[in-house]
Amino acid sequence: KNEVEQSPQNLTAQEGEFITINCSYSVGISALHWLQQHPGGGIVSLFMLSSGKKKHGRLIATINIQEKHSSLHITASHPRDSAVYICAGGFQGAQKLVFGQGTRLTINP
Amino acid sequence: DVKVTQSSRYLVKRTGEKVFLECVQDMDHENMFWYRQDPGLGLRLIYFSYDVKMKEKGDIPEGYSVSREKKERFSLILESASTNQTSMYLCASSLGTSGTVTQYFGPGTRLLVL
Repeated sequence: KNEVEQSPQNLTAQEGEFITINCSYSVGISALHWLQQHPGGGIVSLFMLSSGKKKHGRLIATINIQEKHSSLHITASHPRDSAVYICAGGFQGAQKLVFGQGTRLTINP
Repeated sequence: DVKVTQSSRYLVKRTGEKVFLECVQDMDHENMFWYRQDPGLGLRLIYFSYDVKMKEKGDIPEGYSVSREKKERFSLILESASTNQTSMYLCASSLGTSGTVTQYFGPGTRLLVL
């Protein structure tokens, strides 16, 4: 069992729908990262959070430390949001991240 | 903006060849990382470096070596490429010494070993 688990693995939705991607972790992390990877490979860091909620445009990330769970929400989804979304746990004093398997999101027009 | 560049986007090599993948970052970051990404397996850390000439093994270092002679450049070396090293290779860099800082990724190199 991975220390960081994402669900669902694949998600297809229609343009405009509200999207939720979940990330659960079984280890004590200091920060949770959400990353986005578009077709073609490049990975971009979306959020890093250790508590509460962060928002950037139509993207919202939340974390519940007690429940060891984080969610990434996309409001008013658009085909350009189609990508692989990856969560990763980071630890204080250690450079390594522990990655989830990724969620492939497809938004159809 | 932090920029991380990788020497090639696509590479085709033959089994047994020595392969160099280079990564350069322009933000004076101490930490640099090499990952490989395979379908169903996600991102896996091969090696990382926290300073010039310093390196540490990641989760899957077998068959790979690294070199960091200058702070901005981190090279991944496949001493004798094998078909099971066909993969997407991603470089990243970060400032600071913990997993609570943002990692900045390069565009990736898709390597095919025939």
